[in-house]
Amino acid sequence: SQTIHQWPATLVQPVGSPLSLECTVEGTSNPNLYWYRQAAGRGLQLLFYSVGIGQISSEVPQNLSASRPQDRQFILSSKKLLLSDSGFYLCACSIGGTDTQYFGPGTRLTVL
Amino acid sequence: DAKTTQPPSMDCAEGRAANLPCNHSTISGNEYVYWYRQIHSQGPQYIIHGLKNNETNEMASLIITEDRKSSTLILPHATLRDTAVYYCIEGRLYALNFGKGTSLLVTP
Repeated sequence: SQTIHQWPATLVQPVGSPLSLECTVEGTSNPNLYWYRQAAGRGLQLLFYSVGIGQISSEVPQNLSASRPQDRQFILSSKKLLLSDSGFYLCACSIGGTDTQYFGPGTRLTVL
Repeated sequence: DAKTTQPPSMDCAEGRAANLPCNHSTISGNEYVYWYRQIHSQGPQYIIHGLKNNETNEMASLIITEDRKSSTLILPHATLRDTAVYYCIEGRLYALNFGKGTSLLVTP
């Protein structure tokens, strides 16, 4: 079965600084990959999804971007963080065109 | 916004069955109903999903009404470790639309 790794687990960054969060998947190939954000006290919001290397779809406009340089690697980036970027960032994967998604442990980002 | 409706919170005594309701009146014919849960500060955990028929696995049972407009997740013997937020979601390929879910508190 697949395993999803995310790092770092926690991160504190100043406003205006860059961001790079990494997600890697083990135990499967050709997964669909997803980035979600969960703001404090709110539900999960889908940010990006990818069906293959270099293929990224954005669900909401924002100052974040995503890249998929390898089949099982998904990166979330920002050039300049905003206070509103604080939250719990989750990477997920699904396999074989199914809707069932499996989530990683998450990265908790605090922007000060 | 999420298209499902769930009560914001519920309590359940340890050892008793927890029955979590969900309304999904706008679900399409080919959309699954998914249930996930999220324990504090962890990533969501997949529980179960179904289309038309009732489903059961080692974690829970899912009862879907015949008109598919609502469902109930049943945890047959709740434990303290089942305290979590439970999300009911209409499955759409490439996007699971999480709402605020139901916060289930299992008490001793």
